[in-house]
Amino acid sequence: AQSVTQLGSHVSVSEGALVLLRCNYSSSVPPYLFWYVQYPNQGLQLLLKYTTGATLVKGINGFEAEFKKSETSFHLTKPSAHMSDAAEYFCAVTLLREGGKLIFGQGTELSVKP
Amino acid sequence: GAVVSQHPSRVICKSGTSVKIECRSLDFQATTMFWYRQFPKKSLMLMATSNEGSKATYEQGVEKDKFLINHASLTLSTLTVTSAHPEDSSFYICSARGQGGTGESQHFGDGTRLSIL
Repeated sequence: AQSVTQLGSHVSVSEGALVLLRCNYSSSVPPYLFWYVQYPNQGLQLLLKYTTGATLVKGINGFEAEFKKSETSFHLTKPSAHMSDAAEYFCAVTLLREGGKLIFGQGTELSVKP
Repeated sequence: GAVVSQHPSRVICKSGTSVKIECRSLDFQATTMFWYRQFPKKSLMLMATSNEGSKATYEQGVEKDKFLINHASLTLSTLTVTSAHPEDSSFYICSARGQGGTGESQHFGDGTRLSIL
């Protein structure tokens, strides 16, 4: 069975500092991996995804993530945090053969201090 | 591209009322739609998966008769919360998955805040 673990339910950084949100997954076969962002009272917006190919994936708003099979990780990073990055971030995994069901991590709330 | 519209965004109603939430894919055909429930400060919980023209597949613990799902066309799925009670109050989010290039990703609606008095 697949699962996703996000380390840290709340991360706080200063504006301009590095953002690192951790995600580890468990899957018996190579999964597809996603990062979504959710602003208050809104749905989820796709930041980036890994399916196949290059393991370093670049997404929107300056975010990127690296798929590391040996570590079963897909951590999300951004070199310099902006106030507008404050939101809830969800890591998710899916196996297309299971009809595309997404399994979400618990979420990490990112706060950005001025 | 890949826009999903969810309506209404917010609904407040009395206990015992049935509430219908619509989820539309505006610029692509959604072969599969998903319905999630999200509690405050919590992650998304998948309620059911619906494929156009067939019965929805519900996750364990989700009452089929309470949460009726219809996916009558490739662009529309509806969730009806029947005889809603205060414990059904929550944030409900739909997502849609298309074919081809969009098939890998789910595209989410903006959610519906349901409050039962």
